[in-house]
Amino acid sequence: GQNIDQPTEMTATEGAIVQINCTYQTSGFNGLFWYQQHAGEAPTFLSYNVLDGLEEKGRFSSFLSRSKGYSYLLLKELQMKDSASYLCAVKDSNYQLIWGAGTKLIIKP
Amino acid sequence: ETGVTQTPRHLVMGMTNKKSLKCEQHLGHNAMYWYKQSAKKPLELMFVYNFKEQTENNSVPSRFSPECPNSSHLFLHLHTLQPEDSALYLCASSQDFGSGSREQYFGPGTRLTVT
Repeated sequence: GQNIDQPTEMTATEGAIVQINCTYQTSGFNGLFWYQQHAGEAPTFLSYNVLDGLEEKGRFSSFLSRSKGYSYLLLKELQMKDSASYLCAVKDSNYQLIWGAGTKLIIKP
Repeated sequence: ETGVTQTPRHLVMGMTNKKSLKCEQHLGHNAMYWYKQSAKKPLELMFVYNFKEQTENNSVPSRFSPECPNSSHLFLHLHTLQPEDSALYLCASSQDFGSGSREQYFGPGTRLTVT
């Protein structure tokens, strides 16, 4: 079967750095996505990786290793507004997104 | 209106009721999706429409019936639901469905409670 694993919950301190890991086993691979979802709101797109390596976008970076079935989302200079759930999703061979259950990130002052 | 809108935002219905969820996208996209989001579970893809044609139906019970009259509008008709159908129903759109598509844009969702 297809599976996306990510930690259920993480806690970090304002101003610090946090890394959220995602491992996947899917039938085929057509890209990996990270989304942010604040409580009661719609998921919003953060990043897309289809080739190995690091993609940087401001305070957020996303890394992919296709051979290891592994990705991480790195958040720097954490702000209170970064408290949210972070969803990892992989586009499989049928071009459908397979989703992880999300990582709830709690930021403490 | 911009982006993806959904109505109603909240819905409480009995198991014998019939109701419909509405989604509209103002992004000029050609693909639209219905997802179910239950607490602490991954998003579940229910239906995909690409250029108004249904391309995916992920073994969804027949008590959920989608309708896509044009590329901008998507409906989910509900009838004789079960309490376990209570969840957040999210609509999304993307430029198209397939390798050329990139991110999906989500609406705010309809919080459905079945009593």
